[in-house]
Amino acid sequence: RKEVEQDPGPFNVPEGATVAFNCTYSNSASQSFFWYRQDCRKEPKLLMSVYSSGNEDGRFTAQLNRASQYISLLIRDSKLSDSATYLCVVKPINDMRFGAGTRLTVKP
Amino acid sequence: NAGVTQTPKFRVLKTGQSMTLLCAQDMNHEYMYWYRQDPGMGLRLIHYSVGEGTTAKGEVPDGYNVSRLKKQNFLLGLESAAPSQTSVYFCASSSRANTDTQYFGPGTRLTVL
Repeated sequence: RKEVEQDPGPFNVPEGATVAFNCTYSNSASQSFFWYRQDCRKEPKLLMSVYSSGNEDGRFTAQLNRASQYISLLIRDSKLSDSATYLCVVKPINDMRFGAGTRLTVKP
Repeated sequence: NAGVTQTPKFRVLKTGQSMTLLCAQDMNHEYMYWYRQDPGMGLRLIHYSVGEGTTAKGEVPDGYNVSRLKKQNFLLGLESAAPSQTSVYFCASSSRANTDTQYFGPGTRLTVL
């Protein structure tokens, strides 16, 4: 079983749609959680950190459920520019564990 | 401000050849990392460093060596390349490990024939 599992997609949604991605992790000692975005053939870039209380950044909302070892990302009012692969990232201590990513395509 | 840079951007090797990938950061970060990214696998940590002169093994260290002689540079070496090492290699850095953002370089696409 992979340490961090994501639905690979692809998710194909129209502009303006709301889309949600889920991620589960196996290491209960994980301390920090993130969502990164990766455009095709580019490096990953931090989208947002994920806090236990849940957090929101504009159209993006991240949730963490430690008991179920589950992270989610919600994107509201999808834009064409949101098309990318979204990586769930979990940090036990010094290193990071990446999910394989969920691919999103937003269509006009 | 260049951030994290990697050289080379592309490389083709024959099986058994050696090479060194260079990562440089100008953000005075303590921590540096080397990852490889393969289709369907996500990024996997090869080696990392928590400071100048220190290195540690990550998830997939076999076949690679690293050195951190200067704080700003982190080198990844392949002593005898194998086709299984065909991948995209990303370097990253962060000021601290647990909560700080990792900043990634643009990647090196390596093909081993």
